[in-house]
Amino acid sequence: QVQLVQSGAEVKKPGASVKVSCKVSGYTLTELSMHWVRQAPGKGLEWMGGFDPEDGETIYAQKFQGRVTMTEDTSTDTAYMELSSLRSEDTAVYYCATVGDGYNPWGQGTLVTVSS
Amino acid sequence: EIVLTQSPGTLSLSPGERATLSCRASQSVSSSYLAWYQQKPGQAPRLLIYGASSRATGIPDRFSGSGSGTDFTLTISRLEPEDFAVYYCQQYGSSPRAFGQGTKVEIK
Repeated sequence: QVQLVQSGAEVKKPGASVKVSCKVSGYTLTELSMHWVRQAPGKGLEWMGGFDPEDGETIYAQKFQGRVTMTEDTSTDTAYMELSSLRSEDTAVYYCATVGDGYNPWGQGTLVTVSS
Repeated sequence: EIVLTQSPGTLSLSPGERATLSCRASQSVSSSYLAWYQQKPGQAPRLLIYGASSRATGIPDRFSGSGSGTDFTLTISRLEPEDFAVYYCQQYGSSPRAFGQGTKVEIK
């Protein structure tokens, strides 16, 4: 059974970058397709991007193109999502989730707060 | 780009009642790639339904999904106290993998 454990909460200043990790257990990362979703306070779910096994490439939502980078370290079965040029609107809980029949399971979420 | 619109925004019902949630897509969605999630405050979303009508592992049979093309429905046959939450639909067959804006099911 796949389990995802994310890194802890972060506080960043505007203009900085943040890197959130998602550690996989129960499977190896190479067997999975990992995606990232965020949720601003009191708002809905927003898809950011992830690995598309059909194309063998990482795909990003247009909104985040040029600001987000999703990577994987298969030696430690850890996925990463780095978001740069942070602004206050990026304050949100960031989730990783594995994709198969739907998004399941999800990590517990990482709160990123952007504040001066 | 497929846009998903959920209705109603809020559904006020009593325990034991039937809940019917709608998800309408701006373009046809392959039924193989339509999912429903439940989210409670402070928790990550939980997969309920995938492929428009298949229940995820461990999901009670009071939850059912139906629909095809552009119109999909999540039905909760008899609401239990733990079912009061926010529900999201999502298409995951094409990019961007859009979510609907959510329907809140609240206690009347």
